[in-house]
Amino acid sequence: KAGVTQTPRYLIKTRGQQVTLSCSPISGHRSVSWYQQTPGQGLQFLFEYFSETQRNKGNFPGRFSGRQFSNSRSEMNVSTLELGDSALYLCASSLGSGTKEQFFGPGTRLTVL
Amino acid sequence: DQQVKQNSPSLSVQEGRISILNCDYTNSMFDYFLWYKKYPAEGPTFLISISSIKDKNEDGRFTVFLNKSAKHLSLHIVPSQPGDSAVYFCAASEVRGSQGNLIFGKGTKLSVKP
Repeated sequence: KAGVTQTPRYLIKTRGQQVTLSCSPISGHRSVSWYQQTPGQGLQFLFEYFSETQRNKGNFPGRFSGRQFSNSRSEMNVSTLELGDSALYLCASSLGSGTKEQFFGPGTRLTVL
Repeated sequence: DQQVKQNSPSLSVQEGRISILNCDYTNSMFDYFLWYKKYPAEGPTFLISISSIKDKNEDGRFTVFLNKSAKHLSLHIVPSQPGDSAVYFCAASEVRGSQGNLIFGKGTKLSVKP
């Protein structure tokens, strides 16, 4: 079974721009969660989608948004990029019903200049 | 305030010996705990988990122990191998929260020396 895939793997943007990251979950997984990893804050939960609905949201500003499609693929968008948004963005998928183990993709490394 | 704490940023162990990674938590509503391993430039890999109704779970060389009264869990790796060298994250899930809301510690970097 293919794992979680994320595209692109690396991205360089400038302040004020916006960015869209993509995540394809493991086949059959219906839940997709997004996390931000930075050296100072560690792994922080952004939001979770299940059946195209945002089910839970972390403590991030409204500039961070996401969506999920009917095939469970998910995108996250960050608008008006700031230097502090430079991070590794990780997507994780899980079956979505009763299981708590999440399986992570390799991440997208975003650098904001 | 950090709800999941891994107080040791790093740990060095000799190959063949036991590695013990520790994790403390503050939220008594956490009902499920997980350990992940992460290599540089890769996403975290799920290792082992434990429900709050258990105090031990074993999978091969990996054993997780949970002490609910102390709000403490630990991951034992026996015997340790050089390939185990990675950053280990402890994570917790709240009983009323969405299963997507894992709260992570900041990680412990394990180095296993040959």
